[in-house]
Amino acid sequence: QVQLVESGGGVVQPGRSLRLSCAASGFTFSNFAMYWVRQAPGKGLEWVAVISADGNTKYYADSLRGRFTISRDNSRNTQFLQMNNLRSDDTAVYYCARSGETATIDLLWGQGTLVTVSS
Amino acid sequence: AIQMTQSPSSLSASIGDRVTITCRASQGIGSDLGWFQQKPGKAPKLLIYGASSLRTGVPSRFSGSGSGTDFTLTISSLQPEDFATYYCLQDYNYPWTFGQGTKVEIK
Repeated sequence: QVQLVESGGGVVQPGRSLRLSCAASGFTFSNFAMYWVRQAPGKGLEWVAVISADGNTKYYADSLRGRFTISRDNSRNTQFLQMNNLRSDDTAVYYCARSGETATIDLLWGQGTLVTVSS
Repeated sequence: AIQMTQSPSSLSASIGDRVTITCRASQGIGSDLGWFQQKPGKAPKLLIYGASSLRTGVPSRFSGSGSGTDFTLTISSLQPEDFATYYCLQDYNYPWTFGQGTKVEIK
C-alpha cells in the first residue's frame, strides 16, 4: 500500500547533526515532490522544506535555511533531511509528506519521527 | 515569507454548535489555502483545499470560504469527532506557511 516511513530520529546533543530518512512505497516516488513538516511538543505545525520530483529544486523555511538540507534518492525511493548544528528548539516530531495527486496540498503523511535535542 | 494569522487560538463549543475559524494572510494568496484537522498523536488530515473545495470523504458539515487575504473554515454542526486542532496552510508560494492553529474543545 501507499506509505511513507520515517526513520533516524532520536536524542542528539546540541550542536550535533542528524539525518532523517523517509522511505516511500506503493507509488512512483520519482513523480512527486516531497516535503518535511515538523511539530514541536505541544506546538503547532511548521513547514520545513520541499524538494521537487527530480531533486533539482528545493525550498526551505526562512528560519532553517543554511542548517537543514533536503535531498532525495529516486533510485532508492527515499528522501532525506540533513540537520546540522541542532538546537533545543529543533526538538519536534518530523513528518515526511508527499504532494497530492490531484491537489498538491493534499499531502500523504508519514507517521513522524521524534527528534530530541538535549544534552 | 507569507505570514498566516489564525484566530481564535482556542474555542469551546457544544455538540451541534456552528463553529467558525479564520485565517488572514499577510499578502494576497488567491485561493491557495487549505484547512487541516489534527488529533493528538496523529498526522494532520486535509479537509479543504483551494479555499473552498471539500476533500473527498470529508463530511459536508465542513466548508471553506474566502480569497485574497481572508479565509474562513466553518463547521456547521459540531460533532464529537470534530474536537481537534485545526490549521490553515497557504500553498500560494514557497515557503508554505501554517497558521498557528485553533484548538476546538468541548464546552
